[in-house]
Amino acid sequence: GAGVSQSPRYKVAKRGQDVALRCDPISGHVSLFWYQQALGQGPEFLTYFQNEAQLDKSGLPSDRFFAERPEGSVSTLKIQRTQQEDSAVYLCASSLQDPRNTEAFFGQGTRLTVV
Amino acid sequence: GDSVTQMEGPVTLSEEAFLTINCTYTATGYPSLFWYVQYPGEGLQLLLKATKADDKGSNKGFEATYRKETTSFHLEKGSVQVSDSAVYFCALSSSSNTGKLIFGQGTTLQVKP
Repeated sequence: GAGVSQSPRYKVAKRGQDVALRCDPISGHVSLFWYQQALGQGPEFLTYFQNEAQLDKSGLPSDRFFAERPEGSVSTLKIQRTQQEDSAVYLCASSLQDPRNTEAFFGQGTRLTVV
Repeated sequence: GDSVTQMEGPVTLSEEAFLTINCTYTATGYPSLFWYVQYPGEGLQLLLKATKADDKGSNKGFEATYRKETTSFHLEKGSVQVSDSAVYFCALSSSSNTGKLIFGQGTTLQVKP
């Protein structure tokens, strides 16, 4: 596709439910990031993939959060036993190579509301 | 740890006014600095960047200069338009990490005709 695609755009989950958020990066992009953006705040880093390798997961807030990119393309962020504090917009970004040197392109995000 | 601080918004200006949005950072080493913009209903877009001290990034009439001595990267535009209304995020990418971006909290700009 032309840009980074995320689905669903909106997700309402009951507390305790598991959710899976999908990111389709731009074709051929090696680097993929997940960010969490709380209301009125800037995005905060969650995790980073280079191809299928998860090189940095230091931003994942708890062991309820899990991300994968098994074939080095599509990525899924899974949140188990959702809590109200997980309500946020989850952003995915991809870049062709090292994002310090090449532009990171962001998807429109998935807005998760936990009720 | 690394961090970015932006001036709080919202900033409300009349069309053709001069814009400054302040941004300061704390980082080890020599980070790259960015301004991202989020228009209503759209995803984050890179507006401009600078990768070393004294570099000036510019795009669409916006400018920002990497000032290492003041650890700042203030965004400026000489004459804003209604179409510039958006949320602006200052960000850095440290030379010592994987390229992840560390964002400020964002500044909302509203331009009135």
